[in-house]
Amino acid sequence: DAKTTQPNSMESNEEEPVHLPCNHSTISGTDYIHWYRQLPSQGPEYVIHGLTSNVNNRMASLAIAEDRKSSTLILHRATLRDAAVYYCILGHSLQGGSEKLVFGKGTKLTVNP
Amino acid sequence: DAGITQSPRHKVTETGTPVTLRCHQTENHRYMYWYRQDPGHGLRLIHYSYGVKDTDKGEVSDGYSVSRSKTEDFLLTLESATSSQTSVYFCAISETGLGYGYTFGSGTRLTVV
Repeated sequence: DAKTTQPNSMESNEEEPVHLPCNHSTISGTDYIHWYRQLPSQGPEYVIHGLTSNVNNRMASLAIAEDRKSSTLILHRATLRDAAVYYCILGHSLQGGSEKLVFGKGTKLTVNP
Repeated sequence: DAGITQSPRHKVTETGTPVTLRCHQTENHRYMYWYRQDPGHGLRLIHYSYGVKDTDKGEVSDGYSVSRSKTEDFLLTLESATSSQTSVYFCAISETGLGYGYTFGSGTRLTVV
Protein backbone atom coordinates (compact mmCIF):
# COMPACT_ATOMS: atom_id res chain seq x y z
CA ASP A 1 0.00 0.00 0.00
CA ALA A 2 1.16 3.50 -0.75
CA LYS A 3 2.33 5.46 2.28
CA THR A 4 2.20 9.07 3.35
CA THR A 5 4.96 11.14 4.93
CA GLN A 6 4.21 14.08 7.20
CA PRO A 7 6.23 16.24 9.61
CA ASN A 8 6.04 14.90 13.14
CA SER A 9 4.99 18.24 14.55
CA MET A 10 4.17 21.83 13.61
CA GLU A 11 3.37 24.99 15.51
CA SER A 12 1.13 27.86 14.64
CA ASN A 13 -0.22 31.00 16.22
CA GLU A 14 -3.90 31.55 16.79
CA GLU A 15 -5.76 33.27 13.93
CA GLU A 16 -2.93 32.63 11.47
CA PRO A 17 -3.13 30.26 8.50
CA VAL A 18 -1.60 26.81 8.79
CA HIS A 19 -0.26 24.74 5.92
CA LEU A 20 0.18 21.05 6.72
CA PRO A 21 2.20 19.22 4.04
CA CYS A 22 2.00 15.57 3.03
CA ASN A 23 4.02 13.53 0.58
CA HIS A 24 2.55 10.46 -1.09
CA SER A 25 4.88 9.80 -3.98
CA THR A 26 3.67 6.20 -4.53
CA ILE A 27 -0.02 7.07 -4.74
CA SER A 28 -1.97 5.10 -7.33
CA GLY A 29 -4.38 6.64 -9.78
CA THR A 30 -7.52 5.58 -7.93
CA ASP A 31 -6.41 6.45 -4.39
CA TYR A 32 -8.31 9.21 -2.65
CA ILE A 33 -6.50 11.64 -0.37
CA HIS A 34 -8.15 12.10 3.02
CA TRP A 35 -7.36 14.27 6.02
CA TYR A 36 -8.61 13.47 9.49
CA ARG A 37 -7.69 14.88 12.86
CA GLN A 38 -7.70 13.26 16.26
CA LEU A 39 -7.78 14.55 19.79
CA PRO A 40 -6.57 12.43 22.72
CA SER A 41 -8.98 9.65 23.69
CA GLN A 42 -11.26 10.40 20.73
CA GLY A 43 -11.84 8.85 17.35
CA PRO A 44 -10.53 10.47 14.18
CA GLU A 45 -12.66 13.33 12.87
CA TYR A 46 -13.19 13.96 9.16
CA VAL A 47 -11.61 17.15 7.81
CA ILE A 48 -11.60 16.95 4.02
CA HIS A 49 -10.84 14.65 1.10
CA GLY A 50 -10.23 14.80 -2.63
CA LEU A 51 -9.02 12.92 -5.68
CA THR A 52 -7.44 15.29 -8.19
CA SER A 53 -8.86 18.77 -7.82
CA ASN A 54 -8.45 21.19 -4.95
CA VAL A 55 -11.29 21.07 -2.44
CA ASN A 56 -12.76 23.55 -0.01
CA ASN A 57 -15.18 23.10 2.85
CA ARG A 58 -16.10 25.03 5.96
CA MET A 59 -13.24 23.50 7.94
CA ALA A 60 -10.32 23.65 5.54
CA SER A 61 -8.94 23.59 2.02
CA LEU A 62 -7.07 20.78 0.34
CA ALA A 63 -4.50 21.61 -2.30
CA ILE A 64 -3.44 18.63 -4.42
CA ALA A 65 -0.33 18.79 -6.58
CA GLU A 66 -0.84 18.28 -10.29
CA ASP A 67 1.10 14.99 -10.22
CA ARG A 68 -0.78 13.98 -7.03
CA LYS A 69 2.47 13.09 -5.28
CA SER A 70 1.86 15.62 -2.55
CA SER A 71 -0.93 17.60 -0.95
CA THR A 72 -1.36 20.38 1.59
CA LEU A 73 -4.10 20.87 4.14
CA ILE A 74 -4.80 24.54 4.75
CA LEU A 75 -6.49 25.80 7.89
CA HIS A 76 -7.29 29.41 7.08
CA ARG A 77 -7.38 30.79 10.62
CA ALA A 78 -6.13 28.46 13.32
CA THR A 79 -7.96 28.40 16.63
CA LEU A 80 -6.99 26.70 19.86
CA ARG A 81 -9.58 24.03 19.08
CA ASP A 82 -7.62 23.08 15.97
CA ALA A 83 -4.79 21.67 18.07
CA ALA A 84 -4.76 17.94 17.28
CA VAL A 85 -2.90 15.23 15.41
CA TYR A 86 -3.63 15.58 11.69
CA TYR A 87 -3.47 12.48 9.54
CA CYS A 88 -2.91 12.50 5.81
CA ILE A 89 -4.44 9.26 4.56
CA LEU A 90 -4.68 7.42 1.28
CA GLY A 91 -7.87 5.55 0.52
CA HIS A 92 -7.51 2.29 -1.40
CA SER A 93 -10.49 0.66 -3.04
CA LEU A 94 -11.68 -2.67 -1.68
CA GLN A 95 -14.38 -5.19 -2.45
CA GLY A 96 -17.97 -4.06 -2.78
CA GLY A 97 -17.15 -0.38 -3.11
CA SER A 98 -15.41 -0.27 0.25
CA GLU A 99 -12.26 1.68 0.99
CA LYS A 100 -9.26 1.04 3.21
CA LEU A 101 -7.81 4.12 4.85
CA VAL A 102 -4.04 3.83 5.18
CA PHE A 103 -2.98 6.11 8.01
CA GLY A 104 0.45 7.65 8.32
CA LYS A 105 2.00 8.73 11.60
CA GLY A 106 0.36 12.15 11.55
CA THR A 107 1.44 15.69 12.37
CA LYS A 108 0.86 17.02 15.85
CA LEU A 109 -0.30 20.61 15.49
CA THR A 110 0.21 22.97 18.39
CA VAL A 111 -1.64 26.30 18.29
CA ASN A 112 -0.23 29.06 20.43
CA PRO A 113 -2.51 31.78 21.86
CA ASP B 1 -20.01 10.58 17.85
CA ALA B 2 -23.62 11.14 16.94
CA GLY B 3 -25.09 8.11 15.17
CA ILE B 4 -22.34 5.64 16.06
CA THR B 5 -21.77 3.97 19.41
CA GLN B 6 -19.09 1.54 20.49
CA SER B 7 -19.41 -0.74 23.50
CA PRO B 8 -17.86 -1.33 25.87
CA ARG B 9 -15.68 1.79 26.10
CA HIS B 10 -13.12 0.03 28.25
CA LYS B 11 -12.49 -3.64 28.91
CA VAL B 12 -9.86 -5.69 30.69
CA THR B 13 -9.82 -9.38 29.89
CA GLU B 14 -7.60 -12.38 30.46
CA THR B 15 -5.47 -14.12 27.88
CA GLY B 16 -7.32 -16.90 26.14
CA THR B 17 -10.85 -15.62 26.70
CA PRO B 18 -13.16 -14.64 23.85
CA VAL B 19 -14.16 -10.98 23.64
CA THR B 20 -16.81 -9.28 21.53
CA LEU B 21 -16.85 -5.59 20.74
CA ARG B 22 -19.95 -3.96 19.37
CA CYS B 23 -20.39 -1.12 16.92
CA HIS B 24 -23.93 0.23 16.63
CA GLN B 25 -25.06 2.88 14.15
CA THR B 26 -28.34 4.70 13.69
CA GLU B 27 -27.43 6.24 10.30
CA ASN B 28 -28.45 3.27 8.11
CA HIS B 29 -25.03 3.42 6.44
CA ARG B 30 -24.04 0.51 4.25
CA TYR B 31 -20.31 0.41 5.02
CA MET B 32 -18.78 -0.40 8.39
CA TYR B 33 -15.16 -0.91 9.39
CA TRP B 34 -13.07 -2.03 12.34
CA TYR B 35 -9.62 -0.48 12.90
CA ARG B 36 -7.10 -0.83 15.66
CA GLN B 37 -4.74 1.90 16.80
CA ASP B 38 -1.36 1.15 18.31
CA PRO B 39 1.57 3.44 19.10
CA GLY B 40 3.89 3.69 16.12
CA HIS B 41 1.40 2.10 13.71
CA GLY B 42 -1.45 4.53 13.33
CA LEU B 43 -4.82 2.95 12.55
CA ARG B 44 -4.91 -0.36 10.70
CA LEU B 45 -7.89 -2.07 9.12
CA ILE B 46 -9.01 -5.33 10.73
CA HIS B 47 -12.25 -6.21 8.93
CA TYR B 48 -14.87 -4.41 6.94
CA SER B 49 -18.46 -4.85 5.78
CA TYR B 50 -20.16 -3.62 2.63
CA GLY B 51 -23.62 -4.85 3.52
CA VAL B 52 -25.54 -7.23 5.74
CA LYS B 53 -23.65 -10.52 5.81
CA ASP B 54 -21.04 -9.11 3.40
CA THR B 55 -17.70 -8.89 5.20
CA ASP B 56 -14.05 -9.26 4.32
CA LYS B 57 -10.61 -9.21 5.90
CA GLY B 58 -8.37 -6.22 6.28
CA GLU B 59 -4.62 -6.12 6.75
CA VAL B 60 -4.49 -7.31 10.39
CA SER B 61 -7.34 -9.82 10.58
CA ASP B 62 -5.55 -12.80 12.19
CA GLY B 63 -7.23 -13.71 15.48
CA TYR B 64 -10.37 -11.69 14.72
CA SER B 65 -13.75 -12.50 13.26
CA VAL B 66 -16.75 -10.31 12.51
CA SER B 67 -20.46 -10.59 11.96
CA ARG B 68 -23.08 -8.29 10.55
CA SER B 69 -26.56 -9.76 10.73
CA LYS B 70 -28.33 -6.40 10.49
CA THR B 71 -27.44 -3.00 9.07
CA GLU B 72 -26.98 -1.25 12.38
CA ASP B 73 -24.62 -3.67 14.15
CA PHE B 74 -21.09 -4.80 13.33
CA LEU B 75 -19.52 -7.12 15.89
CA LEU B 76 -15.81 -7.78 16.27
CA THR B 77 -14.81 -10.96 18.11
CA LEU B 78 -11.39 -11.84 19.44
CA GLU B 79 -11.62 -15.59 19.42
CA SER B 80 -8.94 -16.15 22.08
CA ALA B 81 -7.51 -12.87 23.30
CA THR B 82 -3.73 -12.42 23.39
CA SER B 83 -1.61 -9.62 24.84
CA SER B 84 -0.75 -8.46 21.31
CA GLN B 85 -4.42 -7.56 20.88
CA THR B 86 -4.21 -4.95 23.61
CA SER B 87 -5.13 -1.85 21.64
CA VAL B 88 -7.71 0.83 21.02
CA TYR B 89 -10.37 -0.33 18.59
CA PHE B 90 -12.31 2.09 16.40
CA CYS B 91 -15.38 1.49 14.33
CA ALA B 92 -16.10 3.66 11.30
CA ILE B 93 -19.16 4.03 9.09
CA SER B 94 -19.73 5.43 5.63
CA GLU B 95 -22.88 5.91 3.63
CA THR B 96 -21.41 5.39 0.19
CA GLY B 97 -17.96 3.84 0.58
CA LEU B 98 -15.06 4.77 -1.67
CA GLY B 99 -14.39 8.44 -1.99
CA TYR B 100 -16.61 9.71 0.78
CA GLY B 101 -16.14 10.73 4.38
CA TYR B 102 -16.22 8.47 7.37
CA THR B 103 -17.55 8.85 10.88
CA PHE B 104 -15.53 7.16 13.59
CA GLY B 105 -16.76 6.00 16.95
CA SER B 106 -15.15 7.01 20.22
CA GLY B 107 -13.22 3.77 20.52
CA THR B 108 -12.92 0.78 22.84
CA ARG B 109 -9.78 0.49 24.91
CA LEU B 110 -9.05 -3.21 25.36
CA THR B 111 -6.40 -4.54 27.70
CA VAL B 112 -5.51 -8.23 27.65
CA VAL B 113 -3.66 -9.37 30.78
